[in-house]
Amino acid sequence: AQKVTQAQTEISVVEKEDVTLDCVYETRDTTYYLFWYKQPPSGELVFLIRRNSFDEQNEISGRYSWNFQKSTSSFNFTITASQVVDSAVYFCALSANYGQNFVFGPGTRLSVLP
Amino acid sequence: GAGVSQSPRYKVAKRGQDVALRCDPISGHVSLFWYQQALGQGPEFLTYFQNEAQLDKSGLPSDRFFAERPEGSVSTLKIQRTQQEDSAVYLCASSLRVLGGSPYEQYFGPGTRLTVT
Repeated sequence: AQKVTQAQTEISVVEKEDVTLDCVYETRDTTYYLFWYKQPPSGELVFLIRRNSFDEQNEISGRYSWNFQKSTSSFNFTITASQVVDSAVYFCALSANYGQNFVFGPGTRLSVLP
Repeated sequence: GAGVSQSPRYKVAKRGQDVALRCDPISGHVSLFWYQQALGQGPEFLTYFQNEAQLDKSGLPSDRFFAERPEGSVSTLKIQRTQQEDSAVYLCASSLRVLGGSPYEQYFGPGTRLTVT
């Protein structure tokens, strides 16, 4: 069975602070994919990144970066110099079994205060 | 370009009524997924289609839930005899994924918020 845990329910930071959102996953599959999605107040989930289990390179995209560590089954997401527009709920998701379905974590609500 | 669209955006149903929720996926997307998202929680998988074939319906909570995608494009999620616990946002997503290949990212619609009174 697959499981995704996001231990932080809510985080509040002040604009320009860096913030890291934690994601821990469980799967017995050796091939799997990890994703992050953003759900702003408008409600529509927005894809941020996909990472497969064979690629442990960290990735940076602008102010966003992701740290994948297979040894600890974690796929953490860092926002550098946060902005008010980053305020949203962020979901980590796992897809195994050749992508038949996605298992989402419970989400972390990020509030960036001006 | 057009994204995933869902209708209606909001639906209020009296307990016991049947409802039908529609999803128009991105043109050319082979895979289509339905999720249920309760307030304050992550989306939970309901069912998955590849073209018109429903390959996984393990997440449907009861036999009151039924989904179809007869021509491999538009999909309808039907809930019969709605109950209060069915109140949630129902999300549809589509992706390019082909069976046997790696899972592509899913593109989500805005959801239908169902309230059962």
